[in-house]
Amino acid sequence: KQEVTQIPAALSVPEGENLVLNCSFTDSAIYNLQWFRQDPGKGLTSLLLIQSSQREQTSGRLNASLDKSSGRSTLYIAASQPGDSATYLCAVIYNFNKFYFGSGTKLNVKP
Amino acid sequence: GAVVSQHPSRVICKSGTSVKIECRSLDFQATTMFWYRQFPKQSLMLMATSNEGSKATYEQGVEKDKFLINHASLTLSTLTVTSAHPEDSSFYICSARQTEISNQPQHFGDGTRLSIL
Repeated sequence: KQEVTQIPAALSVPEGENLVLNCSFTDSAIYNLQWFRQDPGKGLTSLLLIQSSQREQTSGRLNASLDKSSGRSTLYIAASQPGDSATYLCAVIYNFNKFYFGSGTKLNVKP
Repeated sequence: GAVVSQHPSRVICKSGTSVKIECRSLDFQATTMFWYRQFPKQSLMLMATSNEGSKATYEQGVEKDKFLINHASLTLSTLTVTSAHPEDSSFYICSARQTEISNQPQHFGDGTRLSIL
């Protein structure tokens, strides 16, 4: 069974800081890995999708990396803003269709 | 871009009631849709895979007779929670992937908050 772990569970930083969120998974035979953002009581917003053949993806202030051999992914957020406050979910996509989600990192960016 | 619409966004009802949740892909066709459940302070757990024109595939531990899934068209899947009880209170989210386009990300609905009194 694929297990996905996210560390830390919660993070509070002052505005402007660069930060790193971590995701680890037990089965390296993944298809893709995807990072999402979830605001309280809301659905998911896709941030970045990394295919298994890729090592990283970038979108604006976000950069996600993938190391399949070690079962790890990181989400780097540059120059954090209060609007970045949300829960960030890592999902490992196994067998093309099945998503296994981590429990998330709750981020609070203080103005 | 691709949009998945989920309805209703919130339901509050009495124990024993059956509740239907709709998941629609608005601007693309999806032969496969997925239903997830999220309990408070926990992550999303896949409940079932909804296949257009055939029976849904349920994850281990999910009661297929309690969570009825119907995927009658390429743009609509429904999840019916039959005889709901307080322990079924949760956040239910659906997702869909564009048909015929491989390696595309899944798109998620905004979720349905179900509260059983």
